[in-house]
Amino acid sequence: QKEVEQNSGPLSVPEGAIASLNCTYSDRGSQSFFWYRQYSGKSPELIMSIYSNGDKEDGRFTAQLNKASQYVSLLIRDSQPSDSATYLCAVTAGATNKLIFGTGTLLAVQP
Amino acid sequence: GAGVSQSPSNKVTEKGKDVELRCDPISGHTALYWYRQSLGQGLEFLIYFQGNSAPDKSGLPSDRFSAERTGGSVSTLTIQRTQQEDSAVYLCASSLPLRGVGTEAFFGQGTRLTVV
Repeated sequence: QKEVEQNSGPLSVPEGAIASLNCTYSDRGSQSFFWYRQYSGKSPELIMSIYSNGDKEDGRFTAQLNKASQYVSLLIRDSQPSDSATYLCAVTAGATNKLIFGTGTLLAVQP
Repeated sequence: GAGVSQSPSNKVTEKGKDVELRCDPISGHTALYWYRQSLGQGLEFLIYFQGNSAPDKSGLPSDRFSAERTGGSVSTLTIQRTQQEDSAVYLCASSLPLRGVGTEAFFGQGTRLTVV
């Protein structure tokens, strides 16, 4: 089992729709969870962090964490073509801060 | 500097040569990570430095790879006797963990290594 798992996609949504991106992780001791966006040919860019169960909203983005189910998600409301990118889920490994990434989900927002 | 700085941006080297990649983290950040990303793939963890603790080298793919961090700041990743499969983008990130909780990590622009 991979430490951090994501569906590779592509996930295709129409402009204005809600995009839902999901991530599961294997280490129950993980404490910190992050979503990064990576445009083709560019470095990953942090868009959300979440540390406790529940929802965290920032503009059009909402991160959701459920530690009991070892599940993290990212919702993007009112999706725009400029949101088209690969979204990477990252989790700190156990008691350390080693940051482990999933392989990413490619999101395509259709105009 | 304001962000994580990596050099060089691009490096083309001949198979069998050694290369050094440099990372200058955000000032004050105590944690530094190196990752490798092959074309179309995810981020492969290589090594993690945190303050004065022994680095986590569990991701280094072979003994040809090594890294050091001098004075808790600048880090150098060295690849000896490069092979074609080492061709990838090498990414560095830094963060400032607080009380054992990992805070946000920020990436440099990466070094694209091509071994010919």
